[in-house]
Amino acid sequence: QKEVEQNSGPLSVPEGAIASLNCTYSDRGSQSFFWYRQYSGKSPELIMSIYSNGDKEDGRFTAQLNKASQYVSLLIRDSQPSDSATYLCAVTTSYDKVIFGPGTSLSVIP
Amino acid sequence: EPEVTQTPSHQVTQMGQEVILRCVPISNHLYFYWYRQILGQKVEFLVSFYNNEISEKSEIFDDQFSVERPDGSNFTLKIRSTKLEDSAMYFCASEAMRANYGYTFGSGTRLTVV
Repeated sequence: QKEVEQNSGPLSVPEGAIASLNCTYSDRGSQSFFWYRQYSGKSPELIMSIYSNGDKEDGRFTAQLNKASQYVSLLIRDSQPSDSATYLCAVTTSYDKVIFGPGTSLSVIP
Repeated sequence: EPEVTQTPSHQVTQMGQEVILRCVPISNHLYFYWYRQILGQKVEFLVSFYNNEISEKSEIFDDQFSVERPDGSNFTLKIRSTKLEDSAMYFCASEAMRANYGYTFGSGTRLTVV
């Protein structure tokens, strides 16, 4: 069974701090990795994608991928209360299927 | 910003009834997906659809489920005989390229089976 694991949280950080979210996956053949943000009662919203080892930065967000360790992370710099949401790690397991982790709930405290 | 549209936003149905959930994907997207999320649980893959046929489906997607693209714009999920455990948010998603650039999700349909 191919799995994506995340700490469920909640992760609480003060406003302005760095939030660090982690994800591990079981399928060594996975090629594409994504981070989605989901506000309560809403649909997931894509915030980052990463395909090769290393870091990828987009504004306040940095995704990090280490395929050897089967590990993906998301850093959110200068966290804002509006970043409070559940963050979903998602991984391709085939050309036609992306599976999601259970999500990490992030709370940014003003 | 192009978006995926889902209707209805909320559907209540009696156990054993058939429901059809509708989605209008982004117009130039070619790959379509249905996911569901039971309250408090993770987003689960149901089915992927390309070139008018199912390309992959999960164990959840059994004989009571079917998908169709009836008219080149709509993408539907039919549940033939609903069960209480089918109560969930159902999300449609579409992509321009296959599992490469990330999905655009619709706003979802909340299905409540009573």
